[in-house]
Amino acid sequence: QVQLVQSGAEVKKLGASVKVSCKASEYTFTTYYIHWVRQAPGQGLEWMGLINPSSGSTNYAQKFQGRVTMTRDSSTSTVYMDLSSLKSEDTAVYYCAAERTHGASTTGYFDYWGQGTLVTVSS
Amino acid sequence: SYVLTQPPSVSVAPGKTARITCEGNNIGSKSVHWYQQKPRQAPVLVMYYDTDRPSGIPERFSGSNSGNAATLTISRSEAGDEADYSCQVWDSASDHWVFGGGTKLTVL
Repeated sequence: QVQLVQSGAEVKKLGASVKVSCKASEYTFTTYYIHWVRQAPGQGLEWMGLINPSSGSTNYAQKFQGRVTMTRDSSTSTVYMDLSSLKSEDTAVYYCAAERTHGASTTGYFDYWGQGTLVTVSS
Repeated sequence: SYVLTQPPSVSVAPGKTARITCEGNNIGSKSVHWYQQKPRQAPVLVMYYDTDRPSGIPERFSGSNSGNAATLTISRSEAGDEADYSCQVWDSASDHWVFGGGTKLTVL
């Protein structure tokens, strides 16, 4: 069973950066793309981007271009999401989610999710 | 960018059928996936490729997709089905993944 375990809650100041980790286990690291999805309080799910753990290539939502960086450490099967220039609107639960590769493409949906990491941005 | 629209809330009596819609321009040409999210929990996939159920999801859950709307149908609704439900697609034009705003299902 695929497991995604995220780092703990963070409290950050306006303008600071936050780095959230997502450690994968119980599967071959390169067989799932890892996406980041966030959910602000009382709001819906919002896709932020993805990383291909095999190549390290990324695809970011337009909204986060220039502020988000996703990286991976294959030696520890861990993916990281770094969000900079934090605003109060970035207060949210951040999830990593796994999308299985399917031949040369991927399935388009998220089979597994991490437990979520609450990031609180305060002044 | 591609937009998915869901009703904010749907109510259903226990034992009755709940239908949650997800509207998008020509959504019938895309594959729609659905997630169930209970309070303080991560989302769980309940339907993929419009009509396929992951293992462990009851047969009471079914899906359809045509034209400009996809629908998640929950038959014989139970109190345990109360949750937020979100639809999701991959938009090939932007190569981005898109979620609907979510629908809160109340069983009362």
